Amino acid sequence: AQSVAQPEDQVNVAEGNPLTVKCTYSVSGNPYLFWYVQYPNRGLQFLLKYITGDNLVKGSYGFEAEFNKSQTSFHLKKPSALVSDSALYFCAVNTGFQKLVFGTGTRLLVSP
Amino acid sequence: EAGVAQSPRYKIIEKRQSVAFWCNPISGHATLYWYQQILGQGPKLLIQFQNNGVVDDSQLPKDRFSAERLKGVDSTLKIQPAKLEDSAVYLCASSPIRDRGNEQFFGPGTRLTVL
Repeated sequence: AQSVAQPEDQVNVAEGNPLTVKCTYSVSGNPYLFWYVQYPNRGLQFLLKYITGDNLVKGSYGFEAEFNKSQTSFHLKKPSALVSDSALYFCAVNTGFQKLVFGTGTRLLVSP
Repeated sequence: EAGVAQSPRYKIIEKRQSVAFWCNPISGHATLYWYQQILGQGPKLLIQFQNNGVVDDSQLPKDRFSAERLKGVDSTLKIQPAKLEDSAVYLCASSPIRDRGNEQFFGPGTRLTVL
């Protein structure tokens, strides 16, 4: 079965510091990987995706993600965190049946 | 561009009652999805429509859940009768076409509490 795993329930980082939110995947064939962010009482918002090509993908709000085939990872990164980045982040894989399978989510807390 | 609209935003019901949720996708989006997000978990797909046809309802508890998408636009998700374990946020999403590379656009969700 195709799946993603987010090993950290929560990530804490100080404002201005770089952040990383981890995701590993288990996919047969080429992975179609996504990152979404969820703010309180709001739906999920698309951040970025990896389909093919360059392993470093740039997305919304200054976020980027690095696809690593040998480590089966797709970690979300940002060079300098903002307090407003505090939210719930979900990694997801789109299976061959156009179904998004989500990870359990990682709560990011950025302290001032 | 208007986003995905959902109503109501919140609903509290007693177990064994029925409830319905409404979704209006982004104009022109052919594919519509309903997800269930239980607290502390990622969203789980319940049903997927392509226009007004069902393409995947493998994870929909069909003994109590039903959904329809009339005229390939708005959609309604119904639970009858509700159980305590149905307490969750129900998210509606849409995408332009049914393609693995397309991102999905999510509505704000309906938070259901079953007492």
